[in-house]
Amino acid sequence: GAGVSQSPSNKVTEKGKDVELRCDPISGHTALYWYRQSLGQGLEFLIYFQGNSAPDKSGLPSDRFSAERTGGSVSTLTIQRTQQEDSAVYLCASAPGQGNSPLHFGNGTRLTVT
Amino acid sequence: AQKVTQAQTEISVVEKEDVTLDCVYETRDTTYYLFWYKQPPSGELVFLIRRNSFDEQNEISGRYSWNFQKSTSSFNFTITASQVVDSAVYFCALSEARRGFDKIIFGKGTRLHILP
Repeated sequence: GAGVSQSPSNKVTEKGKDVELRCDPISGHTALYWYRQSLGQGLEFLIYFQGNSAPDKSGLPSDRFSAERTGGSVSTLTIQRTQQEDSAVYLCASAPGQGNSPLHFGNGTRLTVT
Repeated sequence: AQKVTQAQTEISVVEKEDVTLDCVYETRDTTYYLFWYKQPPSGELVFLIRRNSFDEQNEISGRYSWNFQKSTSSFNFTITASQVVDSAVYFCALSEARRGFDKIIFGKGTRLHILP
């Protein structure tokens, strides 16, 4: 009966390092979303998965960002060569179907790039 | 283009007052869904309501009510007799059928402070 789980909850990294953020969705949820929330900003769409495929990657801010999902379950968001502007809370959400289903959000990963 | 505007960045009201949070959306679709989510200080976003574009009936749930008006592309949220526990950031969101409902766009949110 667990909800969406994200790890780590907090990550501090040095500029230029790579980071991996993990999302474990609710069991059986086929849709998985990544959003970014910067201080004072709304939720910025990054990428969406339906099963293992990502029909919409339009929100990824640069080619330093990538994401994958394996087995229709766990997803990893990777940021290469982190920059200070990447500092934000990265939120993952899952849903049982397509975008008309309410999203279930995790608690997010707070990324700080020093 | 798909867009959600929440013009009110921050609102403060005294407990027991009514407060309305505005949401204006843009879409070229005739079929779409609108949502409201609440993000309390703990951080986890919680789903509040979903409406589809064919259902303009207003909805009431306890102290919460939603006014959907297609003529003005608005989906406003009213809290009646506000309580301190209502303090949170509230987000309005839009999902379009044309894109297969695969992308949910959020507004920037309205931070609501309920003062005791």
